[in-house]
Amino acid sequence: DADVTQTPRNRITKTGKRIMLECSQTKGHDRMYWYRQDPGLGLQLIYYSFDVKDINKGEISDGYSVSRQAQAKFSLSLESAIPNQTALYFCATSEGLAGATDTQYFGPGTRLTVL
Amino acid sequence: AQSVAQPEDQVNVAEGNPLTVKCTYSVSGNPYLFWYVQYPNRGLQFLLKYITGDNLVKGSYGFEAEFNKSQTSFHLKKPSALVSDSALYFCAVREPYGAGSYQLTFGKGTKLSVIP
Repeated sequence: DADVTQTPRNRITKTGKRIMLECSQTKGHDRMYWYRQDPGLGLQLIYYSFDVKDINKGEISDGYSVSRQAQAKFSLSLESAIPNQTALYFCATSEGLAGATDTQYFGPGTRLTVL
Repeated sequence: AQSVAQPEDQVNVAEGNPLTVKCTYSVSGNPYLFWYVQYPNRGLQFLLKYITGDNLVKGSYGFEAEFNKSQTSFHLKKPSALVSDSALYFCAVREPYGAGSYQLTFGKGTKLSVIP
């Protein structure tokens, strides 16, 4: 979905390096999410944010941190990258509709390789 | 805790034949169910969702899904498969309220291959 962009699209880094993945959206949505995808494991939620001042840990937040710089921007950081963080990372947004009818819309993904 | 199972890692179907991608779920209360598709080197695209009402939900690209509460299933279907339907399909569930209502839980995905 072109309304949700992620940079970079591909990144190779070395163990111990700090890296930041960025997500921007033009959908005007309040909620933003970071997921990682590993083959055969589906998507796992890392962090989510319901607004600029509301950031929450997901199921696999260890080793990651996030920053919600504005409604439209949500970045994911790996303070000291390790090889098992090699994965495909997705950002998603949702409008924040009442209840659970809220639909999430995904960016194109960032392929991260940690050597 | 909510969970989703996609029992088939891969489904192969001939072009023009009907296709089914299976999904079962476990959730407290009435579920909200979603299907997403991921084409190679692309993000996930929303296909359809079930919230309430008619058990047969129609979505994008001619796909539909049938909600069956007694069997806790939400299978994705299409009457006539196209080669371009070949992709990875994900089922997801969310609880309608409570701690799980913020989180979308995904299945592991099913790779659909449509053979010309």
